[in-house]
Amino acid sequence: DSGVTQTPKHLITATGQRVTLRCSPRSGDLSVYWYQQSLDQGLQFLIQYYNGEERAKGNILERFSAQQFPDLHSELNLSSLELGDSALYFCASRGVANTGELFFGEGSRLTVL
Amino acid sequence: AQSVTQPDIHITVSEGASLELRCNYSYGATPYLFWYVQSPGQGLQLLLKYFSGDTLVQGIKGFEAEFKRSQSSFNLRKPSVHWSDAAEYFCAVGEVYNDMRFGAGTRLTVKP
Repeated sequence: DSGVTQTPKHLITATGQRVTLRCSPRSGDLSVYWYQQSLDQGLQFLIQYYNGEERAKGNILERFSAQQFPDLHSELNLSSLELGDSALYFCASRGVANTGELFFGEGSRLTVL
Repeated sequence: AQSVTQPDIHITVSEGASLELRCNYSYGATPYLFWYVQSPGQGLQLLLKYFSGDTLVQGIKGFEAEFKRSQSSFNLRKPSVHWSDAAEYFCAVGEVYNDMRFGAGTRLTVKP
């Protein structure tokens, strides 16, 4: 158990819909990262937050947005969903001590029909 | 920006044989390097990491990796593979306060 919690574990929705994925980092971790893993794209970095502020942005679509709240949990919002958005979405957190490694949740599997 | 290349998409080895998974990185300064393993349906677990110092680092499950600055490589090795090592392996490079980039992954199949 990494200590990072992601909900929901599985989500099935239709094209054009909007979903929210939630992540609770390890206790005390200030950084949260979001990644998208699909079969043809590998593990793609989406966005990083540090203590509520956006720190780095990767290949995140304009239809996607994220935020980190004062209690440090984070949400990834995916809107106007397309079939190609079907993927496993991972959240990871990084410690204050900055030992460097990310601790990953088990992911949220999104299926868009 | 940093990037990682894992040249081998899929590798098959026999149980008991040695293993080497390749990783090449692109980074302007001394990199922070990582190897993660992902079993089917699960999240990523850290195998080992390199920050500085000894270029040969030991990890969990009997894995080790060697940092070679001259070759921009951080290859993962294991002297004797077990069937339970079958998984997807990811190399990553990242700065401590910023993002971390992953390679495309290498899928390891272990033959009995």
